[in-house]
Formats: sequence, structure tokens, C-alpha cells
Amino acid sequence: DTGVSQDPRHKITKRGQNVTFRCDPISEHNRLYWYRQTLGQGPEFLTYFQNEAQLEKSRLLSDRFSAERPKGSFSTLEIQRTEQGDSAMYLCASSPGTTPYGYTFGSGTRLTVV
Amino acid sequence: GNSVTQMEGPVTLSEEAFLTINCTYTATGYPSLFWYVQYPGEGLQLLLKATKADDKGSNKGFEATYRKETTSFHLEKGSVQVSDSAVYFCALTDTGANSKLTFGKGITLSVRP
Repeated sequence: DTGVSQDPRHKITKRGQNVTFRCDPISEHNRLYWYRQTLGQGPEFLTYFQNEAQLEKSRLLSDRFSAERPKGSFSTLEIQRTEQGDSAMYLCASSPGTTPYGYTFGSGTRLTVV
Repeated sequence: GNSVTQMEGPVTLSEEAFLTINCTYTATGYPSLFWYVQYPGEGLQLLLKATKADDKGSNKGFEATYRKETTSFHLEKGSVQVSDSAVYFCALTDTGANSKLTFGKGITLSVRP
């Protein structure tokens, strides 16, 4: 297993466009998390899944954001009508259970909205 | 709500110098505490953890002790190396079942040869 994979690594988009990111977790991990990291800040929690169920969403996740995890495997994070304030690193992590001891982070997708 | 405060950076040290990075936290209940490290171009990696008061986490020569009385989890290393240059994040978990992490802002450490 190669760890948590995120695609693409970098995305530049024009304001108002939609973007979608993909995360492939470690195969036996049933928990999947999305975080957002802006310049000079630590990662901030966005949402998490237990298998295919989305169990919690942060108030940071506006209506323009949607995340899915069909069949409890990979996950996608879509941002509609992107704004410059959406520019950030989007991190995915997976975990085998209810503790973060087994958290494995991906390398992230860096989004730049111009 | 939960929060983590890290000392302002960046920090620049010479090789073999002593390192201390301060971290304090605010939390309800009994959080677990973590230090994560992010090397250039790589993802976040767990460096060490402590799950209850007075626990000491250690890894790769780094140590941190969970101090409930001062709500602190300072990171220390006796002799830093150039390869320790990275961004360091202090974090804690919610005591609920979701295990989401609350991070500090992070601090960049640069070690000169």
C-alpha cells in the first residue's frame, strides 16, 4: 500500500469555476478526513466519513462545498463557483478507527483561484 | 471550543543546538496531544503523542510531556540536525468519538550546518 493518495497535486482555476479533488485512502482504513490549510495556518477540519457515511461537517464547509465517499472507498471534494478565498492546501487523511493514532495524511492538493 | 497556541516563528538554529518549541492548549475534557511534522514537499507525519497527564511522548530524539496543570505540551530536542528542518504542528483531539484534530498554526524550523 502506498499510503494516502491525492489528485491532483496542484490545481489552478479561474474564479467561478468548479473543481473536484480526489482522495484514495489506505484500503483498510474506514475513516476518511478532509482538512484545509491556508498559508501560515495549521490545518482546519472540514468533514469526515465513517465508511460511506458523512458523519460531521464543519461550519467552514459552505454550501459551495460537497464531499462524497461512494462505497466507502475513495472520496471526492467538490468546490462550486470557486472564490479567491478558497485558495488553500486541501489535505486528506485516513484512519483505521476511532482514534487518530493511525492517522495517515496525503500530500495534499494545492488550489489556487485566480 | 478547543484551541492550540504555538510560539511565533520561524526558528533558526545551528546544528547540535537545543530546541524548545512551546505549545499550550485549551480544551474541555481530557484531550490527547500530538506533534506533527511536515517536511518540505511531504504530507503531515505524526512525530509523537501523549494521551494523559504526565505522559511523555518521544520519537527521533524529540520529546514532549503532557502538563495538565500548565496546559502545555512543549517539544524539545537536545541536539538538532539539518534534517530536522521542517514545519512543526502541535495538535489535540476532541474527546468525542470523531477523533478530529485541532491544530496550532505551526512553526518553521531551519537548522544551519
